[in-house]
Amino acid sequence: ELKVEQNPLFLSMQEGKNYTIYCNYSTTSDRLYWYRQDPGKSLESLFVLLSNGAVKQEGRLMASLDTKARLSTLHITAAVHDLSATYFCAVVKFGGQGNLIFGKGTKLSVKP
Amino acid sequence: ETGVTQTPRHLVMGMTNKKSLKCEQHLGHNAMYWYKQSAKKPLELMFVYNFKEQTENNSVPSRFSPECPNSSHLFLHLHTLQPEDSALYLCASSQVTGGREKLFFGSGTQLSVL
Repeated sequence: ELKVEQNPLFLSMQEGKNYTIYCNYSTTSDRLYWYRQDPGKSLESLFVLLSNGAVKQEGRLMASLDTKARLSTLHITAAVHDLSATYFCAVVKFGGQGNLIFGKGTKLSVKP
Repeated sequence: ETGVTQTPRHLVMGMTNKKSLKCEQHLGHNAMYWYKQSAKKPLELMFVYNFKEQTENNSVPSRFSPECPNSSHLFLHLHTLQPEDSALYLCASSQVTGGREKLFFGSGTQLSVL
């Protein structure tokens, strides 16, 4: 059974600081997604990581994937308040489309 | 705006009521999904429809009944729900193209069962 674990589940950080969110998954998968969800809003796709060593960056967020370690990281650089949201990683159940298995999410709060 | 519209945004119902959730996608996608988001639990996939055919039912109780009349519309019919069914129900769509598709989510329906 594919399981996805994120840590930390809650993260309070100050503006300007750096931090990393971790996503571990238990079995083979060929792609990993990162999503952002603001309160009362939809999930917004941030990154799709398709291969070992993949790295993608958008603004202050950078995601990477290590398929051998079954680990993805979402690194936040010089955090700003606008990044406050819940971040989810999701892994595709091998062999199925749309069968995303989600982590519990990391609730990020960036304080001035 | 993601191109996936869900109605209603909020729904309160008693355990004996029958109600339906509606999802419409304007993206020309060929697959649609229902997910359940409960407090303190990960998002759970409920149903998958691919070209209007149900391809996955993730052991969902029969009090939840999906309907996909065409590739743009998806319904979730609810009857005799339990209080533990209170959650955010999210609809998503994607264009299935052999493994590189991305899901687009609606804003969800916040359901409270009394």
